[in-house]
Amino acid sequence: GENVEQHPSTLSVQEGDSAVIKCTYSDSASNYFPWYKQELGKRPQLIIDIRSNVGEKKDQRIAVTLNKTAKHFSLHITETQPEDSAVYFCAASRDQAGTALIFGKGTTLSVSS
Amino acid sequence: KAGVTQTPRYLIKTRGQQVTLSCSPISGHRSVSWYQQTPGQGLQFLFEYFSETQRNKGNFPGRFSGRQFSNSRSEMNVSTLELGDSALYLCASSRDSATKNIQYFGAGTRLSVL
Repeated sequence: GENVEQHPSTLSVQEGDSAVIKCTYSDSASNYFPWYKQELGKRPQLIIDIRSNVGEKKDQRIAVTLNKTAKHFSLHITETQPEDSAVYFCAASRDQAGTALIFGKGTTLSVSS
Repeated sequence: KAGVTQTPRYLIKTRGQQVTLSCSPISGHRSVSWYQQTPGQGLQFLFEYFSETQRNKGNFPGRFSGRQFSNSRSEMNVSTLELGDSALYLCASSRDSATKNIQYFGAGTRLSVL
């Protein structure tokens, strides 16, 4: 079955720096790759997603890139702010509906001011 | 518009008991997925229901089961509880349209098995 590896497990940056989180997946049939942010004690919330027919997607300070050949995708956060501190999860799905998400183990991002 | 609602929020059970968790999806959403979240294993997919049928299944033992009702509400059952079943159980709903299928998560049910 699908396996998603996520690195690093922890990431500490200074406010204003950029942060990059990388994920690799094993199932070449996966076609949907969302990123979720989970603040302490709260539910995961989608921050950005990308489908396999797109190589890059950007939403303000957040961008995701996908390399289907290498089977990896990355989250880029620019101009980080303290409120970006949270656990970030990447996920992959081969289901047409984008359900049955297989998650990476998560990255704890700490942004210090 | 109400979000995904999970009940109860907290549960304490003892080994060997069984438990039923409930999930009410966002109005109009027909797909409900269940996930187990633990510090060691992270978020793991349990199963997904769509139109009262299990559409996808993760790698969990048969002690974990679920069902979905005609109003899209879903329940998850765990029989013969083990200590290792202690976790936050999250459900997520999605519209299941052809164009956009974001999964929205509930706040979860925290299960403690003693």
